[in-house]
Amino acid sequence: GAVVSQHPSWVICKSGTSVKIECRSLDFQATTMFWYRQFPKQSLMLMATSNEGSKATYEQGVEKDKFLINHASLTLSTLTVTSAHPEDSSFYICSAEEGQGAGDTQYFGPGTRLTVL
Amino acid sequence: AQSVTQLDSHVSVSEGTPVLLRCNYSSSYSPSLFWYVQHPNKGLQLLLKYTSAATLVKGINGFEAEFKKSETSFHLTKPSAHMSDAAEYFCVVSPAANDYKLSFGAGTTVTVRA
Repeated sequence: GAVVSQHPSWVICKSGTSVKIECRSLDFQATTMFWYRQFPKQSLMLMATSNEGSKATYEQGVEKDKFLINHASLTLSTLTVTSAHPEDSSFYICSAEEGQGAGDTQYFGPGTRLTVL
Repeated sequence: AQSVTQLDSHVSVSEGTPVLLRCNYSSSYSPSLFWYVQHPNKGLQLLLKYTSAATLVKGINGFEAEFKKSETSFHLTKPSAHMSDAAEYFCVVSPAANDYKLSFGAGTTVTVRA
């Protein structure tokens, strides 16, 4: 089956620093990748849609200057949390869509636990 | 517009007994429907997917789900629960039109008693 990896699986950083999270589709090419945030005991909240070779589409309320997304290739998208603060601490999950049509399956990465001190 | 309602926030079953997780959806289009499972501190794993083919969908680990259009339901079942089935389960809807956004249910926590 389709596999999506994330790196790192967890990261602890100091307030004010930036953190980069990588999302890779290992055995398929993904034109579209997605970044989600999940708070404890809650469902996933879509942050942005990442399209290869173009700018990401951010959901309402998500600061695009704080959460920088780059989708440089068909197998790699990165999320950079800039000037991180404790309220950015969360579980970040990416997904990659296999296929190019709406309704195609999204395969999820294992998630990255970010803790900002 | 579309939405997903998981009718049970928590389900507790004994090992070896059936599991039923209920999901109702609303959609303006003919949707694709998914069930995903999430173990603690892990990502979501696809259990099964419905895409307007057979209404009874078989997934991994013995799970299956039945799409009932008249009831707008997509309930997940497993005949015999295993301890490893303890996890969070999400019912997810994807529209068939040009919209890539998934709609997630709130999740159902499954605990399995020995």
